[in-house]
Amino acid sequence: EAGVAQSPRYKIIEKRQSVAFWCNPISGHATLYWYQQILGQGPKLLIQFQNNGVVDDSQLPKDRFSAERLKGVDSTLKIQPAKLEDSAVYLCASSLDTQSLADTQYFGPGTRLTVL
Amino acid sequence: GNSVTQMEGPVTLSEEAFLTINCTYTATGYPSLFWYVQYPGEGLQLLLKATKADDKGSNKGFEATYRKETTSFHLEKGSVQVSDSAVYFCALTSGTYKYIFGTGTRLKVLA
Repeated sequence: EAGVAQSPRYKIIEKRQSVAFWCNPISGHATLYWYQQILGQGPKLLIQFQNNGVVDDSQLPKDRFSAERLKGVDSTLKIQPAKLEDSAVYLCASSLDTQSLADTQYFGPGTRLTVL
Repeated sequence: GNSVTQMEGPVTLSEEAFLTINCTYTATGYPSLFWYVQYPGEGLQLLLKATKADDKGSNKGFEATYRKETTSFHLEKGSVQVSDSAVYFCALTSGTYKYIFGTGTRLKVLA
């Protein structure tokens, strides 16, 4: 079974530039998550999709971050404009069924973003 | 609100030593509890989980018991190997289905 795919793996940009990350979840997984993991911290949920609808985006900085999941499959996370504090690893994860509190999440390898 | 507190690392052990990584939580209701592991250069993956009080999750020689009375979910392994070197994250879900992760504990096992 193919895992969660993310691209690019690494990205270096200057502040105020824009950047986009792509995620393709495991086939058949209805739920998709984007996390931000700052060095030395645990992952923080940015946004959660159930199919192509948003379940939770309470921690997404909506003035600069946006995400979409067209057709309920792959997803794109965008930052515009980027700030220095956005330097982090951006993780995508997917799971089968959000109706279970014990749902296992499957993570991609992440995209390491450096903002100069 | 919900939160997870993990012991700080790094934890450095010799091969075959006993491992404990402490995790305590604060949550409303009855959370599900998880340990995820991140090996060098890889993504996070589920190590084990427990969904109700007194449940014991186990995998690859690791164990953790859901203790509601002490709000804890400590990770243990009787004999660690060099290949266990990784970062370990305690996490929970409760009510909103949203995962809350701890800050992670780095384990280094020396041969």
